Amino acid sequence: GIQVEQSPPDLILQEGANSTLRCNFSDSVNNLQWFHQNPWGQLINLFYIPSGTKQNGRLSATTVATERYSLLYISSSQTTDSGVYFCAVTGNAGNMLTFGGGTRLMVKP
Amino acid sequence: EPEVTQTPSHQVTQMGQEVILRCVPISNHLYFYWYRQILGQKVEFLVSFYNNEISEKSEIFDDQFSVERPDGSNFTLKIRSTKLEDSAMYFCASSDLKTQYFGPGTRLLVL
Repeated sequence: GIQVEQSPPDLILQEGANSTLRCNFSDSVNNLQWFHQNPWGQLINLFYIPSGTKQNGRLSATTVATERYSLLYISSSQTTDSGVYFCAVTGNAGNMLTFGGGTRLMVKP
Repeated sequence: EPEVTQTPSHQVTQMGQEVILRCVPISNHLYFYWYRQILGQKVEFLVSFYNNEISEKSEIFDDQFSVERPDGSNFTLKIRSTKLEDSAMYFCASSDLKTQYFGPGTRLLVL
C-alpha cells in the first residue's frame, strides 16, 4: 500500500517562531488531509489539500502532487499549536486514509 | 457546524467482554469509517462502510469486529471478545467523498 513519511518526528519551537512540516508519500493520491491532534486526543481537520496551496490564518499548506509531497507551514507559533500534526492520504486502492507517523510539536512560551 | 459525535468517551472493560462503540456521523454524509490509534502510535484504518455494507477493511478488522448502521443516524463498532491489545483510541469518521471528519474518539482500556 501507499507509504506516508513525515518529518521531522519532533520539533520544539519558541513562541512566535515559524516552522515547516513535511509529508512525503510513495504514490499518487486522491486525497490529502492535514490534522492536528490536540492534547485530549482529538483529530482536528486543518486542510483538505490533494494539490495546490491553501491558507487559513497562521497556517498554510502546499501539496505538489507530481513530486509526492506536502508541506504545512505554521507562522508565529503559539503554545496552543502544540500537539501532533498528521498527514493522511488516500491512494488509488480505496477511500481509507493512510496516516503518517506524525510530527510532535511543542511550542514553548 | 455539523460534527461527528461518539459515545462513550471512555470505556474500561475486562478481557473477553463485548463492547459496542457508538457514532453519529454528519447527517448528509454517506461514507463512514472506523480507525484506531494505539497509544503513541499512528492512526490505523479499520473499516469503511457505504450503502449499508462494508466497502473496505484492513487486516486488523478480523472476525471479532463487526459494524452496523442500526438506524438512520447511528453507526456502531462491536468488538465481540476484547483482548488486551484492543486497548486504543477508536475514531469514527464520516465523509462527503472529499474530506473525512473525525469524531472525538472513544478511549478503550481492556484489563
